Amino acid sequence: QVQLQESGPGLVKPSETLSLTCAVSGYSISSGYYWGWIRQPPGKGLEWIGSIYHSGSTYYNPSLKSRVTISVDTSKNQFSLKLSSVTAADTAVYYCARAQGGYLFDYWGQGTLVTVSS
Amino acid sequence: QSALTQPASVSGSPGQSITISCTGTSSDVGGYNYVSWYQQHPGKAPKLMIYDVSNRPSGVSNRFSGSKSGNTASLTISGLQAEDEADYYCSSYTSSSTLAVFGGGTKLTVL
Repeated sequence: QVQLQESGPGLVKPSETLSLTCAVSGYSISSGYYWGWIRQPPGKGLEWIGSIYHSGSTYYNPSLKSRVTISVDTSKNQFSLKLSSVTAADTAVYYCARAQGGYLFDYWGQGTLVTVSS
Repeated sequence: QSALTQPASVSGSPGQSITISCTGTSSDVGGYNYVSWYQQHPGKAPKLMIYDVSNRPSGVSNRFSGSKSGNTASLTISGLQAEDEADYYCSSYTSSSTLAVFGGGTKLTVL
């Protein structure tokens, strides 16, 4: 059974960089598939942030593209998200997920709340 | 990249059927059979309920079904149960230089 677990700071200061990691178990990232990040501001809907192929190819939401970097570490079987120059609008629950074809999210992590505040 | 359009809320009584619509464009919903639906209970991660317009993952009740006509996809839940009360999101592959777009979500209330 594929399992994903997000980790990272729950509080980030405005203008700093948000960094999260998603550890994958039950499946080797290097075997294939895309892996993605999705976020959900409190009380609002889901927003796709981006997806990365196991080889490192990336696709990003155009509205976030200038601030987002997604990377993969196959040796640790994990992938990561960096979002720079954060503001209060970036406060959200951040989910990682396996993304078939980059767009179909079949396994999800439990999510982690990141608050942007000084 | 515009979000797909869903009604904010729908409701139904136990045993009834409801349908949630998801409207996009020819660059996403209308152009590909790659629409998926997710169920989200409060405080929980979303769960995949339908993929590729009308396919159910293993373990998902056959009370859930999906369809598409033109630029609009639909999720139908038959024989409504109290446990179906949740938020539902559609999503689609998109060709507009990205991969995925979500709908704004629909809150289902079981009366």
